[in-house]
Amino acid sequence: AQSVTQLGSHVSVSEGALVLLRCNYSSSVPPYLFWYVQYPNQGLQLLLKYTTGATLVKGINGFEAEFKKSETSFHLTKPSAHMSDAAEYFCAVSDRWRGNTPLVFGKGTRLSVIA
Amino acid sequence: SAVISQKPSRDICQRGTSLTIQCQVDSQVTMMFWYRQQPGQSLTLIATANQGSEATYESGFVIDKFPISRPNLTFSTLTVSNMSPEDSSIYLCSVEEGGHEQFFGPGTRLTVL
Repeated sequence: AQSVTQLGSHVSVSEGALVLLRCNYSSSVPPYLFWYVQYPNQGLQLLLKYTTGATLVKGINGFEAEFKKSETSFHLTKPSAHMSDAAEYFCAVSDRWRGNTPLVFGKGTRLSVIA
Repeated sequence: SAVISQKPSRDICQRGTSLTIQCQVDSQVTMMFWYRQQPGQSLTLIATANQGSEATYESGFVIDKFPISRPNLTFSTLTVSNMSPEDSSIYLCSVEEGGHEQFFGPGTRLTVL
């Protein structure tokens, strides 16, 4: 079964600093990979996804993530944190070979941005 | 992209009662998924609902506690039965569209007293 590990349940950065949120997956076949963001009292919003092609994917709000097969990783980065980035971030995977399959989520990382 | 609405957006219920959550999608979809997000936790899949057949439940979730209906390709309901405070969670429905991308409803925030 697929699983997702997010290192660090809480990450705190200063405004303007680099944001790095870590995600590793366990699957013999690379799955489809996603990052979602959840702002307080709101639903989930897709930040970006990797399915095929270029391994560095760009998403909304200046975020990007790089798929590294050798490291089974899909870390999320943003060069300069804004106060508005404070939220919960979830890494998720789905089966590459079957459509209409549910997502498997990591435990989430809460990002705090300090002024 | 699919637009998903859920009703109610939030509710406070007494233990022992039941609540039915509705999920409406603006397009026809084959599968709908129901997730639970307990306070401060990640999302856990409850069940997968396919139109015209019984829902498929994940380990730890049973039909008597979480009955699901899927009467057509744009609508589903999840009922949380005989509620206890441990059922206090956010319940979300989702659908998949082209490119394995899943879209989520805004969630139903349930508090059980």
